[in-house]
Amino acid sequence: AQSVTQLDSQVPVFEEAPVELRCNYSSSVSVYLFWYVQYPNQGLQLLLKYLSGSTLVKGINGFEAEFNKSQTSFHLRKPSVHISDTAEYFCAVTHSGNTGKLIFGQGTTLQVKP
Amino acid sequence: DSGVTQTPKHLITATGQRVTLRCSPRSGDLSVYWYQQSLDQGLQFLIHYYNGEERAKGNILERFSAQQFPDLHSELNLSSLELGDSALYFCASSVATVTGELFFGEGSRLTVL
Repeated sequence: AQSVTQLDSQVPVFEEAPVELRCNYSSSVSVYLFWYVQYPNQGLQLLLKYLSGSTLVKGINGFEAEFNKSQTSFHLRKPSVHISDTAEYFCAVTHSGNTGKLIFGQGTTLQVKP
Repeated sequence: DSGVTQTPKHLITATGQRVTLRCSPRSGDLSVYWYQQSLDQGLQFLIHYYNGEERAKGNILERFSAQQFPDLHSELNLSSLELGDSALYFCASSVATVTGELFFGEGSRLTVL
């Protein structure tokens, strides 16, 4: 069975500071990894995904994530956050035999302060 | 706008009642997924339909059922509602590929009183 652990439930950070949201996964097979963002009163939107190839993936809004197979991690980073990045962020995992359903972590609330 | 439409956006009902949530996927997407989001359980996968057929089941209660119609819209039926069923129910759609991106609707917020 697969699982995802997001190590921080809340991450407060000041505007223009860098941020890292941590995600670890557990799987016995090769995985595909995703980060989604949920703004208040909205559905989830894809930020970025890792399917194969380069372990550093770039997404929308200046976010990037690095896949680390040995540490089973897929941490999300942004070098300089804006107030508008305040949202909930979800890490998710699936694999080729999983019919496309995603297993989500519990989410991390990013609070950007002025 | 993801292109996935969910109705109703908000629903308030009483325990023991039955409700139906509706989802229209993006044009051309054959897969529909239902998720339940609650504060204590997070985002839980309920069920996946592909082109009218059930493909995978998750933590879906027996009181809940779903179907996908020939025009590819889907309905999630929740019956004998309990207080604990209060949650945000999301529908997502995708093209057939396993590695495809899921496009989420804005959700249906169900409150059971």
